[in-house]
Amino acid sequence: NAGVTQTPKFQVLKTGQSMTLQCAQDMNHEYMSWYRQDPGMGLRLIHYSVGAGITDQGEVPNGYNVSRSTTEDFPLRLLSAAPSQTSVYFCASSYLLGDTQYFGPGTRLTVL
Amino acid sequence: AQSVTQPDIHITVSEGASLELRCNYSYGATPYLFWYVQSPGQGLQLLLKYFSGDTLVQGIKGFEAEFKRSQSSFNLRKPSVHWSDAAEYFCAVVLEYGNKLVFGAGTILRVKS
Repeated sequence: NAGVTQTPKFQVLKTGQSMTLQCAQDMNHEYMSWYRQDPGMGLRLIHYSVGAGITDQGEVPNGYNVSRSTTEDFPLRLLSAAPSQTSVYFCASSYLLGDTQYFGPGTRLTVL
Repeated sequence: AQSVTQPDIHITVSEGASLELRCNYSYGATPYLFWYVQSPGQGLQLLLKYFSGDTLVQGIKGFEAEFKRSQSSFNLRKPSVHWSDAAEYFCAVVLEYGNKLVFGAGTILRVKS
């Protein structure tokens, strides 16, 4: 099992550009989520999904879109990148919400 | 507001000394509690979790944590710290029947030889 994979590992964008961060898991987990990590703030939930076709907002959803067309994939889209979105992004999955969440290696995004 | 608090931003301990990292939460309902560790440049790894039952839980790498409902705390402990334990530690909480995992701000552990 590859577990949770994320691509790319690093990305530099200019303000206003759009892009998609990819996340995939091969553990047949229903629950997937996206977090951003900023110094001194821990991890904050952006969006999450409890199954294919079902998504919901987390704590900091503005500026991000998600969709879940398959159990395996949960991409995160930045519609128009802003410097405030400079952060490290983690994708995670679990069989159930209360179960252990498995994290990907992260994507370090810089918006200039 | 519902929150998770880790009062210590940084902690430095000597190798071989004991360790306690504090975590408090403000939820009124029954929580599920987790401790994760993040090594530099890495993702997060689960150390241990509490759902119900015995309030003292054992985790990987020699860590343990104790749930104290009366104090709304879930402190992480290790009797003897190793240099490889240097990392950032996160406490996290999800409510029973809830759907969001909320993290504390993290505690950075430094180990001096």
